[in-house]
Amino acid sequence: AQSVTQLGSHVSVSEGALVLLRCNYSSSVPPYLFWYVQYPNQGLQLLLKYTTGATLVKGINGFEAEFKKSETSVHLTKPSAHMSDAAEYFCAVSDMAGANNLFFGTGTRLTVIP
Amino acid sequence: DAGVIQSPRHEVTEMGQEVTLRCKPISGHNSLFWYRQTMMRGLELLIYFNNNVPIDDSGMPEDRFSAKMPNASFSTLKIQPSEPRDSAVYFCASRPVGLDGYTFGSGTRLTVV
Repeated sequence: AQSVTQLGSHVSVSEGALVLLRCNYSSSVPPYLFWYVQYPNQGLQLLLKYTTGATLVKGINGFEAEFKKSETSVHLTKPSAHMSDAAEYFCAVSDMAGANNLFFGTGTRLTVIP
Repeated sequence: DAGVIQSPRHEVTEMGQEVTLRCKPISGHNSLFWYRQTMMRGLELLIYFNNNVPIDDSGMPEDRFSAKMPNASFSTLKIQPSEPRDSAVYFCASRPVGLDGYTFGSGTRLTVV
């Protein structure tokens, strides 16, 4: 069975500071991992995805994530936070075999302090 | 590409009334998903279709909920009768063949009073 755990429902950072959003996954098969962002009153938008290959994945808006199999983690980072990064971020996992269903974490709300 | 289109964006209805939510997936995407988002339960998968066929509806909360996909370009989620606890944002998402991520619509915010 697949599941994800996002550590911290709320994260606050100062503008220009490092953003680190944590996600650990559980999967019985090699997983495909995704990060989505949701801005207020909007749907979810794909930030990045890890399928196979390079473990450091670059996404949109300057975000990247490193897949660490030994730690079963795929934490999301951005070197310098911008006010426009304030949003809710969701980690999701699907299994390679089926890949028909995404299992979402409960989300982390990022606040950027000017 | 217009993306996944959902309608209406907002719906306010009285308890007991029938509600129909609509979704137009991206052309060429063969999988369609209905999700519900609430503060308490987060994002929940209600049902998904592959090639217009319902594959897994185990997330549909009750018999009051039903979903159809009569063709590749249209799907509906119906709640009859609606209850206040159905108040949530309902998202539709579609995905192409293969292992790519989903594309979500902007959602329908349903309020049942």
